[in-house]
Amino acid sequence: QTVLTQPPSVSGAPGQRVTISCTGSSSNIGAGYDVHWYQQLPGTAPKLLISATSNRPSGVPDRFSGSKSGTSASLAITGLQADDEADYYCQSYDDRLSGSRVFGTGTKVTVL
Amino acid sequence: QVQLVQSGAEVKKPGASLKVSCKASGYTFTTYDIHWVRQATGQGPEWMGWMNPKSGNTGYARKFQGRVTFTRDTSITTAYMELSSLRSEDTAVYYCTRGQGFLGSLDHWGQGTLVTVYS
Repeated sequence: QTVLTQPPSVSGAPGQRVTISCTGSSSNIGAGYDVHWYQQLPGTAPKLLISATSNRPSGVPDRFSGSKSGTSASLAITGLQADDEADYYCQSYDDRLSGSRVFGTGTKVTVL
Repeated sequence: QVQLVQSGAEVKKPGASLKVSCKASGYTFTTYDIHWVRQATGQGPEWMGWMNPKSGNTGYARKFQGRVTFTRDTSITTAYMELSSLRSEDTAVYYCTRGQGFLGSLDHWGQGTLVTVYS
């Protein structure tokens, strides 16, 4: 059961800006729950990229930013670099699913 | 630094049970919840549930209720995930993660444990 929907892929040239959407509903993002974003490089564990919609953990470049509006959230990457090529997942909480944390479907970012 | 180190890869037959360990270091083990997340090849992460290491309280995703159990041994700062009645669809990488407060982010992840279920 898909709860948070992301585009399967986005791409951009080095230096460009790309955005990834995360579309939910009134029982998760629309209910005001925080959205977190994770970056997963091939063969590695996910890494926290953005917490609580727009906060960057220490060490995460300010090229990464997050926002939220209504039932959707977005991750923006500016100044795209080769090592940004990875899978990105949003994550929130859904109160219809007995208190479950839910992940998005994932977006593959390709640097052209 | 915060580290979560998991036990090694496992191969199991259908119907068997699995127990994965997660050794925490670099922080006070009882201060943060431990969550378990799994990821099948080519799929997104799937949240399985959480455990409060101080109280032992747990919460399981509906999909896994009755089949999964989280425990811990605070003396060795280690959390455990047991999954029973394994089937081929349980083949995945299993991660333990540290939760930042109620509904907070999952800020540190173990390296993952590959579990393969086949006959």
